Amino acid sequence: DAKTTQPPSMDCAEGRAANLPCNHSTISGNEYVYWYRQIHSQGPQYIIHGLKNNETNEMASLIITEDRKSSTLILPHATLRDTAVYYCIAVPTNSGYSTLTFGKGTMLLVSP
Amino acid sequence: DSGVTQTPKHLITATGQRVTLRCSPRSGDLSVYWYQQSLDQGLQFLIHYYNGEERAKGNILERFSAQQFPDLHSELNLSSLELGDSALYFCASNEGEGYGYTFGSGTRLTVV
Repeated sequence: DAKTTQPPSMDCAEGRAANLPCNHSTISGNEYVYWYRQIHSQGPQYIIHGLKNNETNEMASLIITEDRKSSTLILPHATLRDTAVYYCIAVPTNSGYSTLTFGKGTMLLVSP
Repeated sequence: DSGVTQTPKHLITATGQRVTLRCSPRSGDLSVYWYQQSLDQGLQFLIHYYNGEERAKGNILERFSAQQFPDLHSELNLSSLELGDSALYFCASNEGEGYGYTFGSGTRLTVV
């Protein structure tokens, strides 16, 4: 599985867009990029995933570069409740099942 | 409520004891995954079951075992408990490859 690299922490003002970067320069063509977040001691929460194209859902947008070596998770209007650890994970698609390997993630602190 | 149910929420037990953690996956999900989260290790994958069969093993100790029953609920058995086994234990389920995981709220195990 490709290794992902994320900044350990980021700050964002409430109401502003939070842009969380992830580097996955060794990602292979059959690996999805998944994003999860974990609010303190709660179970991780699925946010979004994509393979090649940009994706958007009610929670966030995912922008994947054309070469697929990096991606950005965008929370368009961050709220205090978005304070959490955000994990970017590369997951292979061809194994018949997929196991998530969590790294250290990015601690996003949203402030008033 | 994520749809994944874990019981008990909290468990305090003594060293050397054995405990069983229970997980009911989301309705219709055939896969169950177990994760351990301790303060210094982050989220560690333990084991994956699909429709009653073990599919993948991660960093699961020999003192730990798991199974998935015909009704798809799963149990994680931890024996000869040590202080270092104190952690949050999460269960997750999903429909299959290419689908995001849904995590339960976890069981907090404290070994004293």
